[in-house]
Amino acid sequence: NAGVTQTPKFRILKIGQSMTLQCAQDMNHNYMYWYRQDPGMGLKLIYYSVGAGITDKGEVPNGYNVSRSTTEDFPLRLELAAPSQTSVYFCASSYGVPGANVLTFGAGSRLTVL
Amino acid sequence: AQSVTQLDSHVSVSEGTPVLLRCNYSSSYSPSLFWYVQHPNKGLQLLLKYTSAATLVKGINGFEAEFKKSETSFHLTKPSAHMSDAAEYFCVVSDRGYGGSQGNLIFGKGTKLSVKP
Repeated sequence: NAGVTQTPKFRILKIGQSMTLQCAQDMNHNYMYWYRQDPGMGLKLIYYSVGAGITDKGEVPNGYNVSRSTTEDFPLRLELAAPSQTSVYFCASSYGVPGANVLTFGAGSRLTVL
Repeated sequence: AQSVTQLDSHVSVSEGTPVLLRCNYSSSYSPSLFWYVQHPNKGLQLLLKYTSAATLVKGINGFEAEFKKSETSFHLTKPSAHMSDAAEYFCVVSDRGYGGSQGNLIFGKGTKLSVKP
């Protein structure tokens, strides 16, 4: 039972490059999320999705894009990487609304933009 | 709007002594409250959750938390710390029925727990 799988685990980007962080879950969860974690700041929600074909912005969406073509996959796209996007990114999923359901997190993707 | 404050950024205890990690929240509605734990280089894992049932909530690995509405607190405790408890702990609040946000979660800034031998 894999849960939530994120790739890559580590990546170094140059300013202005683009990349996609992959996230897949095998629990048939409807809700999926992308968070970023900066030291001493907790987790901030970037984007979330309540089902295939439906996405919405979270607290810090600027500089990112997402898509949800299937229930299983929720990739996060970084366009024109900037040093401010250096962070650890976590993908998570839940069966239903986050207030009433447990989130299952991936192991994280550490991104450095130089 | 809801918010959550973890009162200590770092707590250090000796193995076998009690653990207290403090969390205060602010919420316009009846909140759901969670504690998540993050071990080094790992994702977050749920310790326990409060969703308006019993005010004393028991979680995994001997942790528990008490919801105190009058004090707007949800402190995490454990009677006896173990070396394996060393990790970062996050208090999380969600307002159920918070409009179009689908009850999004607000994370505290985290408390790093160190356990000395």
